[in-house]
Amino acid sequence: DTGVSQDPRHKITKRGQNVTFRCDPISEHNRLYWYRQTLGQGPEFLTYFQNEAQLEKSRLLSDRFSAERPKGSFSTLEIQRTEQGDSAMYLCASSLAGASFSNQPQHFGDGTRLSIL
Amino acid sequence: AQKITQTQPGMFVQEKEAVTLDCTYDTSDQSYGLFWYKQPSSGEMIFLIYQGSYDEQNATEGRYSLNFQKARKSANLVISASQLGDSAMYFCAMGAQAGTALIFGKGTTLSVSS
Repeated sequence: DTGVSQDPRHKITKRGQNVTFRCDPISEHNRLYWYRQTLGQGPEFLTYFQNEAQLEKSRLLSDRFSAERPKGSFSTLEIQRTEQGDSAMYLCASSLAGASFSNQPQHFGDGTRLSIL
Repeated sequence: AQKITQTQPGMFVQEKEAVTLDCTYDTSDQSYGLFWYKQPSSGEMIFLIYQGSYDEQNATEGRYSLNFQKARKSANLVISASQLGDSAMYFCAMGAQAGTALIFGKGTTLSVSS
């Protein structure tokens, strides 16, 4: 059972550039989540998918952010025209959808650390 | 709105001692789940333990147990027999329904010394 995989682990880019991150969930998981974590804070929810459908987006997800999960497997998160405030760890998680929490915790990847110069 | 509060920025404990990390929550939902995650300095978030709002017994997973007091809206994590490898940031989180977004607290840094 491989875990959630994120690529790249680190991304350094100049302000104004576009960046794209990829997340491969645990293979049997149909739900996929994106979170953002800044230094000294807990993760903040950005968006989540069930299969290929994007079911919820946070107010944190500005128009510069877009996420896709075209075939219901891997997902990409793109940030356009990056700003200094976008510097953070971007975490992906996956889980099984179901009626109860008990055996469906969200499992997280190692994250992509984004640094904006 | 849901909220998680972790009031201890840092906790220090010696090896083999037990430690309690505090978590209080606020929600108007009747059904919810409470989670604890561990985040070592390497960055990955590791799921530790879960408690459902309707579970009558406190959850336990190995050295981890969750002291759930529903009336007080608290869900404290107890780590027994601390080990050096327990040094990490610990986050309490809550979800309204299975599969939806988790709300996290700000975390508590645990330092275990020999």
